[in-house]
Amino acid sequence: DTEVTQTPKHLVMGMTNKKSLKCEQHMGHRAMYWYKQKAKKPPELMFVYSYEKLSINESVPSRFSPECPNSSLLNLHLHALQPEDSALYLCASSRGDTQYFGPGTRLTVL
Amino acid sequence: DQQVKQNSPSLSVQEGRISILNCDYTNSMFDYFLWYKKYPAEGPTFLISISSIKDKNEDGRFTVFLNKSAKHLSLHIVPSQPGDSAVYFCAASAGNQFYFGTGTSLTVIP
Repeated sequence: DTEVTQTPKHLVMGMTNKKSLKCEQHMGHRAMYWYKQKAKKPPELMFVYSYEKLSINESVPSRFSPECPNSSLLNLHLHALQPEDSALYLCASSRGDTQYFGPGTRLTVL
Repeated sequence: DQQVKQNSPSLSVQEGRISILNCDYTNSMFDYFLWYKKYPAEGPTFLISISSIKDKNEDGRFTVFLNKSAKHLSLHIVPSQPGDSAVYFCAASAGNQFYFGTGTSLTVIP
């Protein structure tokens, strides 16, 4: 099983809304990631959690707030986003050298 | 600074022929290299990987070659099939961090 799941699949939100993206994996991976991907661009790393602790924050604005409640779950809390934050948000997990991605959440900020 | 580069944004190949996708990197500390396939609005799907101690890894129709002295890797797909049409990202890892190339859009013409 190499599955990483993400919910919701699509999300439309206004600039004043608060929403959360969820990610789950049951492969026992101890590193989990959030990426942002714009069309025709490579994934941009946002956050890395290692053993449930935030290890990397790639200078992401505070309107994005990650949370790792346990070793299987990763959330991304969204608040006061801007239209330019519209993108595909990808979760990934890894153990060792291979990283597995979820299907992504297509986020549109109006 | 782009540490992993894919200099060909697109490639068209006839069905049944070989597709060769190229990738260059700059950081000699990378110890693992991966190829991902991505369809629009979906997360990248892991295809094949290679450790820096090897120069070739094969999995079915997919073969990855690594030339460490040239800091170059390539993905060969033989024979190419229309279903292979997608964007292909190469990635390199060092520890928990993964660095992605800008992608090559492959079109396999029936």
